[in-house]
Formats: sequence, C-alpha cells, structure tokens
Amino acid sequence: DSGVTQTPKHLITATGQRVTLRCSPRSGDLSVYWYQQSLDQGLQFLIQYYNGEERAKGNILERFSAQQFPDLHSELNLSSLELGDSALYFCASSAEGDGGTEAFFGQGTRLTVV
Amino acid sequence: GQNIDQPTEMTATEGAIVQINCTYQTSGFNGLFWYQQHAGEAPTFLSYNVLDGLEEKGRFSSFLSRSKGYSYLLLKELQMKDSASYLCAVRDTGTALIFGKGTTLSVSS
Repeated sequence: DSGVTQTPKHLITATGQRVTLRCSPRSGDLSVYWYQQSLDQGLQFLIQYYNGEERAKGNILERFSAQQFPDLHSELNLSSLELGDSALYFCASSAEGDGGTEAFFGQGTRLTVV
Repeated sequence: GQNIDQPTEMTATEGAIVQINCTYQTSGFNGLFWYQQHAGEAPTFLSYNVLDGLEEKGRFSSFLSRSKGYSYLLLKELQMKDSASYLCAVRDTGTALIFGKGTTLSVSS
C-alpha cells in the first residue's frame, strides 16, 4: 500500500457527462500529480499541484481541470466526456515540490466512457 | 521534443538475468526513474539515477549514462512474479515525470 488513496476505483459513464476523481496523498506529502494511462499512449502527465497551487501542467485538455484543497486532497474534473477519455487515471504524491527522488502512486481510477 | 524509447516486449526464463534498455531525448535532465507495473495496478518505484553509474538494490540494478542519454535496468535471478511492465521515466527541467511506453517482461519457467 503506497498510502495514496484514489476513489472511485471504477467509473462508467456516458459521453457528454462530467465526472470527478478524488485523490488523497500520503500523509505529509504536499505535491499531487495526475496521470492518464491509455493502452496506446502509456502514462501521460496531466497536472501537478503543490500545497494548493498549480505547479506544472502537461498535456491536459481544456475539458479537464483539477484543484488541491487546504487538506491537500485533490480532485480531477473531466467534462464533456468522449469515448477516447476512457483510461486509467493515476494520482501520485511526493513530499517535495520538485518531485524529489520518488513519487508514490495510488491504485488508479478506471474510467470507461460508453 | 521529448522522446523516451524502450523495447515493447521481452521474454526470459526463471533464474536468468535480463537487461531492459531505455534511451531518452529530453530538453533537460533532472533524474531517471524506473517503475514496475503489474497489469491494472499502480506503478511502484524501483530506482532513481541522477549521476552516471550503477545503482544496485537487491536483485535490481539501474545504470545511467547522461552523455549517451541511456539507461538500463538489470534484473537478476528472475522470478515468475517479475512478469510485469517496466517503465522508464525522465524528469526534465520540470517536476513531473515523462514516461516511456513501458517494456512488458514475461518470465517463464
């Protein structure tokens, strides 16, 4: 157990809908990273938050947004969902803002858009 | 651009040694990571290299050559449970990791 908790584990929804994925980092970690993993693309970095503020942005679509709350948990919001958004979404956390030497991954949320 | 290449698949037998190579071209370099991922599960951290040379950790070792943009992960005394995907990732000038597509290793008896 990495100590990073993601909910829900599975999510099935229809095209056009909006969903929210939740992540609780390891105790004491200030950084949260979101990644998308699809079969053909591998792990793609979406966005990082550090202590409540956006730190880095990757290939995140405009339909997607995230935030980190004062208690350091983070949410990833996906809207106007398309079939191609079906993927595993991972959250990772680390203690440092610069990523440190290790990031711990949660078990992921498997999103299926039908 | 950012590019990380590793073989798509490898096979090996129990007890053997296998080397998984990774080459990278990134705008900057601030560390190279190896992760193991079993199907449908979270990636788990294996190793981190930021200086040239070999880092050994039990049955796993990782090597880095920054001038060549090259790393390898060496797995010794292979076990069936080592069947998984191995992900090479580079942190360039930012804080997030850029991952390769992974190498699926199949270990047979």
